[in-house]
Amino acid sequence: DAKTTQPTSMDCAEGRAANLPCNHSTISGNEYVYWYRQIHSQGPQYIIHGLKNNETNEMASLIITEDRKSSTLILPHATLRDTAVYYCIVKGTTDSWGKLQFGAGTQVVVTP
Amino acid sequence: EPEVTQTPSHQVTQMGQEVILRCVPISNHLYFYWYRQILGQKVEFLVSFYNNEISEKSEIFDDQFSVERPDGSNFTLKIRSTKLEDSAMYFCASRLTTSGSHEQYFGPGTRLTVT
Repeated sequence: DAKTTQPTSMDCAEGRAANLPCNHSTISGNEYVYWYRQIHSQGPQYIIHGLKNNETNEMASLIITEDRKSSTLILPHATLRDTAVYYCIVKGTTDSWGKLQFGAGTQVVVTP
Repeated sequence: EPEVTQTPSHQVTQMGQEVILRCVPISNHLYFYWYRQILGQKVEFLVSFYNNEISEKSEIFDDQFSVERPDGSNFTLKIRSTKLEDSAMYFCASRLTTSGSHEQYFGPGTRLTVT
């Protein structure tokens, strides 16, 4: 699986959009970008994933650059409950067993 | 909405004792996982389980650890002789495999404290 790089932390004001970057310059053609988050002391939570097209669901949007070397997770209207560690993980479709390798992620703090 | 459940939420045990952590994955899921997170550290993969056998395990998952799906609904992690360094949050996860999708759904975790 390709390695990812994320900022250690970022702050966001409540009600504003939070844009979380992730670099994955060694990503290969069959690898997807996955985002998970972990609210303090809870289990990780799946957010969204994508291959090359932008994706949106009820939680967030995922923007992947054309060269696929980086992506941005967008939380459109951050709330205090979005305070969490956000993980960007790259996984290939050929990995059947699918273990997830979590890095340190980005600690996002949403402030009132 | 279906969810993964884990029991107990907190387990305190003495060093050298056996513990069994229990998980009920989402009912139609086929892949099952255990992860752990030592306080202040990253979430670490322990083991994956598919078709009633271990499909992959990490270096952490040594002979002291075992997993079982005894009755088609529960998925258990046993630690035979606990050590102080086994103190951690243990998360169970499950996945419905569709064309290589890696959406995993995690339980709330069991906090294991070894004294």
